[in-house]
Amino acid sequence: DTAVSQTPKYLVTQMGNDKSIKCEQNLGHDTMYWYKQDSKKFLKIMFSYNNKELIINETVPNRFSPKSPDKAHLNLHINSLELGDSAVYFCASSLIFVSYNEQFFGPGTRLTVL
Amino acid sequence: ILNVEQSPQSLHVQEGDSTNFTCSFPSSNFYALHWYRWETAKSPEALFVMTLNGDEKKKGRISATLNTKEGYSYLYIKGSQPEDSATYLCAFLIQGAQKLVFGQGTRLTINP
Repeated sequence: DTAVSQTPKYLVTQMGNDKSIKCEQNLGHDTMYWYKQDSKKFLKIMFSYNNKELIINETVPNRFSPKSPDKAHLNLHINSLELGDSAVYFCASSLIFVSYNEQFFGPGTRLTVL
Repeated sequence: ILNVEQSPQSLHVQEGDSTNFTCSFPSSNFYALHWYRWETAKSPEALFVMTLNGDEKKKGRISATLNTKEGYSYLYIKGSQPEDSATYLCAFLIQGAQKLVFGQGTRLTINP
């Protein structure tokens, strides 16, 4: 049983397209996150949701819009994709909002914008 | 800007040897430090979450210490095995903040 799953694993698309990445966790956690692994391999937080409510929105272009239909899902929609959006995106979850609780990561989605 | 620095960036160790590496973080307003193990083609997995100065945690052959006053944590691996090859990430959380700040990781390769 995969605890945190993401689909798709790989996404290759043209500049200007709109695409979505889905994330689901079956751990019963309250909080979910999206991270971007940048060109220097750092994991940088993009968004976090707690009980379907947006908590963190880092300085991410508004072409990126997270959607949380319920506590177990946090999807990432990206409009008008740009070359610089190419990266690996990781979803994660934790029991409660950022504290002593470890985060559980999904397998990542490698996005390539051509 | 909060910086979390890990050193060295990469490390090659002979199987059976012990090793350690460092995570440095701002010493003020400390709240928690996380260590994650990230194998190639997999996702990061939590090793430890540390919160108290002087804390020491252990999981099998891996242990970690925490010094919040001087702003560092050490991760130790005793008797390295090939399966220990991975990138080890630390992540820092300050009081009142809402996000983990990750270091770049130490990439460990165990040579058989």
